[in-house]
Amino acid sequence: SQTIHQWPATLVQPVGSPLSLECTVEGTSNPNLYWYRQAAGRGLQLLFYSVGIGQISSEVPQNLSASRPQDRQFILSSKKLLLSDSGFYLCAWSKGQKNTGELFFGEGSRLTVL
Amino acid sequence: DQQVKQNSPSLSVQEGRISILNCDYTNSMFDYFLWYKKYPAEGPTFLISISSIKDKNEDGRFTVFLNKSAKHLSLHIVPSQPGDSAVYFCAASSSSNTGKLIFGQGTTLQVKP
Repeated sequence: SQTIHQWPATLVQPVGSPLSLECTVEGTSNPNLYWYRQAAGRGLQLLFYSVGIGQISSEVPQNLSASRPQDRQFILSSKKLLLSDSGFYLCAWSKGQKNTGELFFGEGSRLTVL
Repeated sequence: DQQVKQNSPSLSVQEGRISILNCDYTNSMFDYFLWYKKYPAEGPTFLISISSIKDKNEDGRFTVFLNKSAKHLSLHIVPSQPGDSAVYFCAASSSSNTGKLIFGQGTTLQVKP
């Protein structure tokens, strides 16, 4: 069966510090990978998605970047965090072939920037 | 531009009664719709979906209705149970952009015993 894990689960960082959130999918190959963010009182906003190694699409201009160094690894990064980067970050995967859009989410990472 | 909207941030119902969660969308290219359930500090889990070629899909206590002319869908839970208390997200995608889900803001459902 397929599993998805992301870490760390909770992170408190000062403004201006770097960020690295990692996500790993097991039990499937060539998945599409996604990073979403849920800000306080808002829905899930798509930040990045990737259809393959090294292929990253950004949905919104922001202070964050994403990388996919391996087929089942997706990393969310920032060089200098802003207060507005606080939120609940979710990694997700979907089948790489044509699919109906169903996503499978990780447990989430709570980031607080102080 | 909010393409998927859930205008009710919260809903409270009594155990055993029906819960109706609503969702509106603006993009006519959307042809697949999903509902996700989310507990605090956890990732969302898939609940039920519907294709635009249908107007109803049922799975146990959960039924999703789609009104394409009104660009509106709803999730019915009957009977509601306390364990259904969670945040419910509506999401939509288009077959031309498969896999990219656009989510609504979510509705917090509280089912009172």
